[in-house]
Amino acid sequence: TQLLEQSPQFLSIQEGENLTVYCNSSSVFSSLQWYRQEPGEGPVLLVTVVTGGEVKKLKRLTFQFGDARKDSSLHITAAQPGDTGLYLCAGSLNTNAGKSTFGDGTTLTVKP
Amino acid sequence: EAGVVQSPRYKIIEKKQPVAFWCNPISGHNTLYWYRQNLGQGPELLIRYENEEAVDDSQLPKDRFSAERLKGVDSTLKIQPAELGDSAVYLCASSLVSPWGAAGTEAFFGQGTRLTVV
Repeated sequence: TQLLEQSPQFLSIQEGENLTVYCNSSSVFSSLQWYRQEPGEGPVLLVTVVTGGEVKKLKRLTFQFGDARKDSSLHITAAQPGDTGLYLCAGSLNTNAGKSTFGDGTTLTVKP
Repeated sequence: EAGVVQSPRYKIIEKKQPVAFWCNPISGHNTLYWYRQNLGQGPELLIRYENEEAVDDSQLPKDRFSAERLKGVDSTLKIQPAELGDSAVYLCASSLVSPWGAAGTEAFFGQGTRLTVV
């Protein structure tokens, strides 16, 4: 059983559309991170959220951490082909444990 | 500033053969991670070093996998003997402190080594 469930697994949209991907768990996380990974590359950190209800914005990307710190969402406005990639969430159950778990990601394809 | 460097980028070997991967973390980063990523899945932690000490190797299959981080800098991950199921991308990452212990501390990943066992 995956600790972090990401949905949808695959998403294909046209340039200019908006989208939301989700990262859900039954566990409470002390922090949660979102990464983007392009083919043939390692994941690149986009954001870290630590406070329940926290919202962070990174240009056209909006990240939200659930009030109970069990889930998170990533919303992209006016998607562009450059947003194509694998979006991974990773959570830590204990800030001092030094250990985190990745979800299996959402593969996003933005068509021109 | 150079990022995390891994080599080789690709490796194809026959089953039962040994293989080794090398990682050079970002200079000054004390924490180093080895992950395995299977196709269509997220990275899975194999081992985490803080300086030269392996502080979490609970997910490392110790019957065939070994790792070392001499002098707390470079690291190697070895598989001997390799099995068909070991085919995956092996990622190395480093950070200045454990990113999970200090909110916002970024872990930097290398490009990975894609291993194919035939």
